[in-house]
Amino acid sequence: NAGVMQNPRHLVRRRGQEARLRCSPMKGHSHVYWYRQLPEEGLKFMVYLQKENIIDESGMPKERFSAEFPKEGPSILRIQQVVRGDSAAYFCASSPLPGGPSDTQYFGPGTRLTVL
Amino acid sequence: DQQVKQNSPSLSVQEGRISILNCDYTNSMFDYFLWYKKYPAEGPTFLISISSIKDKNEDGRFTVFLNKSAKHLSLHIVPSQPGDSAVYFCAASVLGGGSQGNLIFGKGTKLSVKP
Repeated sequence: NAGVMQNPRHLVRRRGQEARLRCSPMKGHSHVYWYRQLPEEGLKFMVYLQKENIIDESGMPKERFSAEFPKEGPSILRIQQVVRGDSAAYFCASSPLPGGPSDTQYFGPGTRLTVL
Repeated sequence: DQQVKQNSPSLSVQEGRISILNCDYTNSMFDYFLWYKKYPAEGPTFLISISSIKDKNEDGRFTVFLNKSAKHLSLHIVPSQPGDSAVYFCAASVLGGGSQGNLIFGKGTKLSVKP
């Protein structure tokens, strides 16, 4: 997973605050996916973005969560008014091209969000 | 409803022996399968993948077998090494269509390889 950068690695927020998680994809990758992993669970898809476009947000909670991937800069996953249930590891993955054998997604190290 | 199932939460194997990790799926639309390895506090690392048009793919010590009729795949590691100790996730996707390749993960199997 070298190459996909996520920051911060650890983030502590109090209930009601905002959390911003950043992801820079691997060089040459223009497709970004966000996943969430709760304790003792597998990763759950949240949202898929290309530059300036949200392609699939079917896994994203309808309220408080948003994501963007601007033309310049990293992809941002934003959680407003965090609650304790948002505590999880959030992983970003990137791929060069979806929908084909080269669709392998490469993951970053994750951001561990703790809501107090 | 869990579409990708890894029914063994843990597996312990002696160094040098074969490790076999299993994965079952329910969605017949899945046509691309991947295995990832994950160490604590790190992101998943891609290991090996297989397309549904194949029944076997091999890469060094790692081989993935796919049985479409049984909706079952397995990862074989031979010979197992202590450095293989990690959590292994099976993942599946539908290439094309509306899902755009987002991955559906199992809950993982923790492999321990004893020296």
